[in-house]
Amino acid sequence: AQSVTQPDIHITVSEGASLELRCNYSYGATPYLFWYVQSPGQGLQLLLKYFSGDTLVQGIKGFEAEFKRSQSSFNLRKPSVHWSDAAEYFCAVGSNTGFQKLVFGTGTRLLVSP
Amino acid sequence: DVKVTQSSRYLVKRTGEKVFLECVQDMDHENMFWYRQDPGLGLRLIYFSYDVKMKEKGDIPEGYSVSREKKERFSLILESASTNQTSMYLCASSSPGTGSNEQYFGPGTRLTVT
Repeated sequence: AQSVTQPDIHITVSEGASLELRCNYSYGATPYLFWYVQSPGQGLQLLLKYFSGDTLVQGIKGFEAEFKRSQSSFNLRKPSVHWSDAAEYFCAVGSNTGFQKLVFGTGTRLLVSP
Repeated sequence: DVKVTQSSRYLVKRTGEKVFLECVQDMDHENMFWYRQDPGLGLRLIYFSYDVKMKEKGDIPEGYSVSREKKERFSLILESASTNQTSMYLCASSSPGTGSNEQYFGPGTRLTVT
């Protein structure tokens, strides 16, 4: 069965500092991987996705993520955090067969300090 | 742009009431999903549907049912609401044609059962 682990429940970063959010997945084949962001009181918005090709993927709002098969990881990065990036971030894994279900991690809440 | 709308942003119901949460998508997507989101637990799949009148149980279907009479509309039903169903409910849709499992989310309904 697929599973996703986001080991950090909360992370605080100073504005302008770099950011890395961790995501580890468990899946037997090549997974589809996603990062979503949820601002307070809102639904989820897709930041980026990986399903084949270049292992470094670029997303919206200046985010990027790198798929590392050997480490079963898909960490999200941003070189310089803005106050508006404060939100909750979810990593998700899906399969390329079946009903296109996604399995989500428990989320990481990002706080940005001035 | 894909638009997924949910009938209410906030809802307060009494224990034992029958509750309907409605979700509509405008992109002709085949797949639709209902999740509940609780702090520290991430998103958990309640039910999903891959076609009109078709439904499959997710990870936590107990206490819920669903209806999909039209392709664009997917309803979540709480037959007899209980306080432990107080949560944020998120609807999503996707299309197998995209090949990537990407799901598009509505803004969520925050349900309080008193």
